[in-house]
Amino acid sequence: DADVTQTPRNRITKTGKRIMLECSQTKGHDRMYWYRQDPGLGLRLIYYSFDVKDINKGEISDGYSVSRQAQAKFSLSLESAIPNQTALYFCATSDRDRGNTGELFFGEGSRLTVL
Amino acid sequence: AQSVAQPEDQVNVAEGNPLTVKCTYSVSGNPYLFWYVQYPNRGLQFLLKYITGDNLVKGSYGFEAEFNKSQTSFHLKKPSALVSDSALYFCAVRGLGLTGGGNKLTFGTGTQLKVEL
Repeated sequence: DADVTQTPRNRITKTGKRIMLECSQTKGHDRMYWYRQDPGLGLRLIYYSFDVKDINKGEISDGYSVSRQAQAKFSLSLESAIPNQTALYFCATSDRDRGNTGELFFGEGSRLTVL
Repeated sequence: AQSVAQPEDQVNVAEGNPLTVKCTYSVSGNPYLFWYVQYPNRGLQFLLKYITGDNLVKGSYGFEAEFNKSQTSFHLKKPSALVSDSALYFCAVRGLGLTGGGNKLTFGTGTQLKVEL
C-alpha cells in the first residue's frame, strides 16, 4: 500500500460544483502539503500544515480551502470549481526531524477536470 | 523570494551517453537544493539534495548533481543514460517560508528527459 494515498485519483466535475480531494498518510509525518501541477508551470504550493492546529496559505490559495482532520489526514476543497482549476493535484508529507532537508513524499496525484 | 529556472523543456539523449539536466536558482542566503523525478502517472520521487559540504552530490539510480555557487547552478548529471531514465525532472530550492523554517520548496517548471536507443 502507498504511504501517501490520494482520493479520488481522477474526477470530472462541472463549474460551480464543490469538490473535495482527500489525502491520508501512514508515514507518521506531521507536515502535509497540497501542490498543484500544470504543464509548463511546474508545481505550485496551495496550502501547507505543520501540525493539526497549524494551517498556512501557499502561493496560490485563492479558491481553495483545506482541513487537517488528524495528523494523518489533510483534505483540499474547491468550494465552487472553475475551469482554470483543472490540474493535477499532489499531496505531500515530510518529517519534522528532517523538516529542514526538503525531502517530501508525494502521493500519486489526483487529476481534476472542471468542465 | 526564491526561484528556480530549468531552461530546457526537453532533453534528448542516446542510451549510454552522458546526460545533463540544467538548473539555476535564486534564493536569499545559503541554498538547499533538490532534484525530484516524476514517472508517467506517478507522484514525484526524491532523487538527491544539496545542503552543505561536497559540491558533488550523489543520489538514487546513479544520478549526481554538481552545486556551483558562483554560477548559482545545480545541474543533474548521469554518466550513462538508460531508456528507463526517461521521465520529468524537477529542480527545487528551499525557501525560509513564512514560519521561518520547514519544507517550503519552490519547484522549477520541469525538464522532460527522453532517452532513446
